[in-house]
Amino acid sequence: DAKTTQPPSMDCAEGRAANLPCNHSTISGNEYVYWYRQIHSQGPQYIIHGLKNNETNEMASLIITEDRKSSTLILPHATLRDTAVYYCIVRVNTGNQFYFGTGTSLTVIP
Amino acid sequence: KAGVTQTPRYLIKTRGQQVTLSCSPISGHRSVSWYQQTPGQGLQFLFEYFSETQRNKGNFPGRFSGRQFSNSRSEMNVSTLELGDSALYLCASSSSYGELFFGEGSRLTVL
Repeated sequence: DAKTTQPPSMDCAEGRAANLPCNHSTISGNEYVYWYRQIHSQGPQYIIHGLKNNETNEMASLIITEDRKSSTLILPHATLRDTAVYYCIVRVNTGNQFYFGTGTSLTVIP
Repeated sequence: KAGVTQTPRYLIKTRGQQVTLSCSPISGHRSVSWYQQTPGQGLQFLFEYFSETQRNKGNFPGRFSGRQFSNSRSEMNVSTLELGDSALYLCASSSSYGELFFGEGSRLTVL
């Protein structure tokens, strides 16, 4: 019941922008999209979240399509430390129940 | 501000035993969630507690249980351990309806 679909893996050259796509075609109107990343054997780390509008913080930007069926996480200048598994998550509005999918394993290449 | 603290970090049990894992949330956070992570199933939601009440529950058997204390600290218990219960158990806290802050996890190995 992951509710999201992500490519299993991606590569990105160091210093370039990493664009990670996510499909969430069954998302409900009041469900948020969250992005987390997990570096091997550590707890997941919050990156960004959004509902309808595009969002930006010091780590990344989140672009959500107008129909809300997909989104893209953008890491503007990828570094080697950004190598991790990135999870796109739809949060059920009735609590802190997050559906983690299989994520995208991003490898930043020197 | 201290982060989410989970104990123990590593433990080994044998089949049929039970285990209790502990989680101390970030100060002021009243919501504590538990997740199980395995290579085959990924991250799966176990349950969430808010103000000592279970607010949500995932699709796990009754052998998995939890509770939350008045100071928001939480414990989860797994009884009659099976080999398939070997996993990283992650605890996350949240202020209410916000982003989750995860601990480093408790890695359980069942022999």
